[in-house]
Amino acid sequence: AQSVTQLDSQVPVFEEAPVELRCNYSSSVSVYLFWYVQYPNQGLQLLLKYLSGSTLVESINGFEAEFNKSQTSFHLRKPSVHISDTAEYFCAVRGANAGGTSYGKLTFGQGTILTVHP
Amino acid sequence: DTEVTQTPKHLVMGMTNKKSLKCEQHMGHRAMYWYKQKAKKPPELMFVYSYEKLSINESVPSRFSPECPNSSLLNLHLHALQPEDSALYLCASSGTGSREKLFFGSGTQLSVL
Repeated sequence: AQSVTQLDSQVPVFEEAPVELRCNYSSSVSVYLFWYVQYPNQGLQLLLKYLSGSTLVESINGFEAEFNKSQTSFHLRKPSVHISDTAEYFCAVRGANAGGTSYGKLTFGQGTILTVHP
Repeated sequence: DTEVTQTPKHLVMGMTNKKSLKCEQHMGHRAMYWYKQKAKKPPELMFVYSYEKLSINESVPSRFSPECPNSSLLNLHLHALQPEDSALYLCASSGTGSREKLFFGSGTQLSVL
């Protein structure tokens, strides 16, 4: 079984400031890690994912996350945020070798609401 | 087409009503999911269908009845719901490998009166 802890429920920042949204996970097996973003009254959109290889993964809109196995973390960062980044962000984990009926079981953190102020 | 389409977007129903939520995808995905998301909470998995067969039921009450009539469609039949069932119901689909990402629909916002 896996669990995910997002350490901040709300993060307010000013536009063009850097931001870090923190995520720690717990698992007895290897995992795949994901960040999803949810805008108001919308479904979830995949922002980025770590499956294997380079521990630093990037999205097309300037976010990046680094997988740190020793600290069991997958923090999300952006060097300069925009008003349009205001949304709720969910960190999620799935067992890497989950087969059979387990592959669909994403475990989500509680979410972090990022609010970007002008 | 990389969309998961859910209808209706909003639904208000009484506790004695019967209604259905619908989900459709044309990406050739053979895994489809129902999630429930209460306000200010993360999504919680309800059901997983794999190749049109129910593979995971996360101990969901029987007043929620899923159905997968074909590889593109997923329904959630609702009957005798309670006010605490009010939530955003999200459908998702994916390939069947554990590396596959989930594509989510925009959800149905359900209110039970």
